[in-house]
This record gives sequence, structure tokens and C-alpha cells, in this order.
Amino acid sequence: SQKIEQNSEALNIQEGKTATLTCNYTNYSPAYLQWYRQDPGRGPVFLLLIRENEKEKRKERLKVTFDTTLKQSLFHITASQPADSATYLCALDSSGGYNKLIFGAGTRLAVHP
Amino acid sequence: DVKVTQSSRYLVKRTGEKVFLECVQDMDHENMFWYRQDPGLGLRLIYFSYDVKMKEKGDIPEGYSVSREKKERFSLILESASTNQTSMYLCASTVAGGPGEQYFGPGTRLTVT
Repeated sequence: SQKIEQNSEALNIQEGKTATLTCNYTNYSPAYLQWYRQDPGRGPVFLLLIRENEKEKRKERLKVTFDTTLKQSLFHITASQPADSATYLCALDSSGGYNKLIFGAGTRLAVHP
Repeated sequence: DVKVTQSSRYLVKRTGEKVFLECVQDMDHENMFWYRQDPGLGLRLIYFSYDVKMKEKGDIPEGYSVSREKKERFSLILESASTNQTSMYLCASTVAGGPGEQYFGPGTRLTVT
């Protein structure tokens, strides 16, 4: 079955550094991949979408890469700030259509001043 | 400003009670989803709907049912609540054509005692 893995351990980094989060998947070839941010007690918020034929996507301080050979996506936040502290979820499109997604469990990022 | 709202932020119910969770979106989206989120497990799809009166089972439909009588409203029903249904419940909506981001509600933290 389709499986998504994100590092379950929290990532702690210093303010101003680049945070890099990893999303690995198996048993599937998604047409696109999405990243969401989730703050405690709130619903996820969409950040970026990258298609299978795109290697890289950027939005302000965010960058996402998508390597379909390695079956991996990397999510980077440059010049990180304490306000970037949150859980980040990776999601792949499900083969069932209807814009269904399969979500990873998320990685918690803590940016320290 | 687009919005997905859920009927309650916090809910406490007793074992065996029938529980209704309601979700309303104002974006005229065709697709709506119900997830539950548990620590370490990520978001798991319970049911989704791609049109009024249409529904499809997700990955964990047991113990749940849904209703979609109007396009903007998608209800999740726990026929007889059990303690293992204590969880965060999240509703989301998205457009019919893909790929598309999912818009999430704020979540309902349900506790079954």
C-alpha cells in the first residue's frame, strides 16, 4: 500500500538557519505532492504544491524539491524565524482521484531565538 | 476570505451516544472530506463526498457514517460513540478538478468518556 514517511522526531534549529524537512514515499508514483503547515489545535494550511515534472518550487522563503527517482521531497525554510515553528505535513495525491490526498504524520519544527 | 467551519471546537460525549459533527464551506467546492488525526498517525481519511448525496469510504470508515444533503454541508455521524473514537476530527474541501489544495476547518476535539 502507499506509504509516506516523515521524520517523527522534532527538528530544532537556530533562528536564521535553513530548516530542511524530508518526505519519503513508497509503493506509488504521485502526480503531485503538497506541503501543509499545522499549528497546535488548528487545521492544516496549504503551503506549496509541486508536480511530478517539476524539480523545484519556491515561494518566498520556502523551497520544495521533488525527486521521483528517489521518491523523496525536501522542504526548505530559509532564514527561519521562531514564527515558523509548527508541524509540517507532506501529502501525496491518491490514485483514487477527487483530489484525495494521503498525508504523512508530519514533522515538528522548533526555531529557537 | 474562503472558509471552512466546523460546528464545535470541543465536544465531550459518553460511550454509546450518537454524535453529529457538521462542516460547512463557503467556496462552492464539490469535494469534501472528513479526517481524524491522532498523534503519530497523521491524518486518516474517514469518508469523502464528491457531490451532493454522493459519498465514498475512506481508509477508516468503520463506526462512522456521513450525510451530504447540500453542497456546502458535510456531516459526520458517529452512530454509537466509543472511547477509541476520541480524536481530533478535521473537515476539508477542495475543487473538483485537480490538482487542488485542500482547505481545512479548525477541527473538533472529540472526547468520548
